Amino acid sequence: EPEVTQTPSHQVTQMGQEVILRCVPISNHLYFYWYRQILGQKVEFLVSFYNNEISEKSEIFDDQFSVERPDGSNFTLKIRSTKLEDSAMYFCASRRTVAKNIQYFGAGTRLSVL
Amino acid sequence: SQELEQSPQSLIVQEGKNLTINCTSSKTLYGLYWYKQKYGEGLIFLMMLQKGGEEKSHEKITAKLDEKKQQSSLHITASQPSHAGIYLCGADRGYGNKLVFGAGTILRVKS
Repeated sequence: EPEVTQTPSHQVTQMGQEVILRCVPISNHLYFYWYRQILGQKVEFLVSFYNNEISEKSEIFDDQFSVERPDGSNFTLKIRSTKLEDSAMYFCASRRTVAKNIQYFGAGTRLSVL
Repeated sequence: SQELEQSPQSLIVQEGKNLTINCTSSKTLYGLYWYKQKYGEGLIFLMMLQKGGEEKSHEKITAKLDEKKQQSSLHITASQPSHAGIYLCGADRGYGNKLVFGAGTILRVKS
């Protein structure tokens, strides 16, 4: 069964460093998302991406964040200068059609900012 | 107030018992999604409900949508240890784009 793949599973970084979280969405999906979950809190929407551009972003997704689909398979989230409060589980999700908003999630990348 | 309220926050049941988890929205529901999450892992899609009165089942899990009450319930029949995890409801906010999630219900099944 096709699945969303995220790498790495755990990333440790120093405050101020740049990190790139990688995702390979399901191959015939057209809509891509990043969510995050701070430990003990709700899953929160960060950004959605369709047709090579951002379609919606949350207040959390400020200038420190960017997304890219550099080729036909990868979807990346970059944090330019990490802060302690960026420590969270980051989930990538993808969806096939506009008709049904069924989003399939990856296993997540745990980001620890020290 | 929370956009999606889930109740209860946590639940411990004896194996074989039935249970119900509720999700109430403070806004109009265009689509309601149930996911299961194991601790520290990703979200696994269970079911999607779009129309008032709609009911869907998958194995021993049944979900219903009461559009008027802006509420959904997830019912597990004859619970098993494999049902343990965190159940999240998510709501589609009308543009078919982002999902907003409830805080989750932690389910433990004692064998």
